[in-house]
Amino acid sequence: QQQVKQSPQSLIVQKGGISIINCAYENTAFDYFPWYQQFPGKGPALLIAIRPDVSEKKEGRFTISFNKSAKQFSLHIMDSQPGDSATYFCAARKDPGTASKLTFGTGTRLQVTL
Amino acid sequence: DAGVTQSPTHLIKTRGQQVTLRCSPISGHKSVSWYQQVLGQGPQFIFQYYEKEERGRGNFPDRFSARQFPNYSSELNVNALLLGDSALYLCASTRDTEAFFGQGTRLTVV
Repeated sequence: QQQVKQSPQSLIVQKGGISIINCAYENTAFDYFPWYQQFPGKGPALLIAIRPDVSEKKEGRFTISFNKSAKQFSLHIMDSQPGDSATYFCAARKDPGTASKLTFGTGTRLQVTL
Repeated sequence: DAGVTQSPTHLIKTRGQQVTLRCSPISGHKSVSWYQQVLGQGPQFIFQYYEKEERGRGNFPDRFSARQFPNYSSELNVNALLLGDSALYLCASTRDTEAFFGQGTRLTVV
C-alpha cells in the first residue's frame, strides 16, 4: 500500500536551476513530513522537515511547500549544484508516540549537470 | 558526537542462514528503529524500540526480530534467510521528532 506517492522518479537539472520534487499523501493523520537526501552507499540524511500547520519552510537553498487541503508537499532546491546530485525521499509520520515510524516515498534521483 | 553506528557494513549469507545486525544510537537517544531498503526503493519500517520495549512493528514476517539493550544499542535478527531479504538495513536513532540514520548494513543473500 503506497501511502506516500513521490514524483518524478528521476530529474535532470542544470547547475543554477531549480529542482522540484513532489509528494502526495493519503492519510490525514500524518503530522510530520521530513525530506531525506541519500548518496550512494550512505544512509539517508535529514534535510528539512515541516508540520501541517505551516505552509512553507525554508532552510538555505531548500524549501518545503505544504498544501494541506490538497494533501501534497514539495521540495524546492534553489540554485542547484552538482553536489546536490543524490536520491531524495519524502516521508511522513502519523503517530507522535513512534517518532521514527516513517512512511517513505519511492525516491527521486536528481542529477545536476554543469 | 558520533553518529549512528552500524555493524557490519557488508555481509554475505546463504539462503536459510541466520544473521544478526547491530546498531549503536547517538549518545542520549533512547529510541532505535530498523528499516529495510531494497535497491531502488524507499526504506520500509521494520521495528521501533524505546527504552528496551517494542513500540512498533512493520509488515514483516516473524523471521524478523529485534531487541534493545540497557545501553540503548540494538540488534536485528533475521532467520531462515531468503534471496528477497537482500537489502540495505538501516538503523535510525530518534530524538523528539527527528530520526537520524546510520550508513546501513548491506546484506546479500546468495
